[in-house]
Amino acid sequence: GAGVSQSPSNKVTEKGKDVELRCDPISGHTALYWYRQSLGQGLEFLIYFQGNSAPDKSGLPSDRFSAERTGGSVSTLTIQRTQQEDSAVYLCASRPSGSETQYFGPGTRLLVL
Amino acid sequence: GENVEQHPSTLSVQEGDSAVIKCTYSDSASNYFPWYKQELGKRPQLIIDIRSNVGEKKDQRIAVTLNKTAKHFSLHITETQPEDSAVYFCAARNSSYKLIFGSGTRLLVRP
Repeated sequence: GAGVSQSPSNKVTEKGKDVELRCDPISGHTALYWYRQSLGQGLEFLIYFQGNSAPDKSGLPSDRFSAERTGGSVSTLTIQRTQQEDSAVYLCASRPSGSETQYFGPGTRLLVL
Repeated sequence: GENVEQHPSTLSVQEGDSAVIKCTYSDSASNYFPWYKQELGKRPQLIIDIRSNVGEKKDQRIAVTLNKTAKHFSLHITETQPEDSAVYFCAARNSSYKLIFGSGTRLLVRP
């Protein structure tokens, strides 16, 4: 079946502009996660959605970052007033109810000039 | 909050040798420990995981061990092959269902 998809695959933007990154989880998966992976680094947790519960936003690095999940499916991560240090690969993962396994998307590579 | 440390950051082995990657975690409530493999330019993929009620798990050439008392767990790859070359990440999860990842180990298997 279809895996987790993300769009765009690459995004180049200018400092100060806003960007929106999209994640389409595997159908039926109740949990959705966003991570950030800087060059050569590990995966930094950003935000976690579980069903209709309030999201866990504890990993968001600043108030310029926000995310929504509409209808329990598609999610968008928005970065306002982008900075050069926001350049990274943004990965989305989804997880089915009753399972521990997270399935990752291919990521969006963001470059802020 | 949880903190996961991973060592070494890079590891180079000869094809056929074994590779061991070690991780420590800080939150004694953590009860699930997956390992992900990320090939260059690809997405991370789960290769093996272990829960806190067992001490070891094997799947063909890979195995994971867990020492709850010491709060560390390790990935063992035997009979390494060039296709094992990748970055490996450990992670720990507590009751929050949030995974905290280590910083990764770049494994190079020399033919």
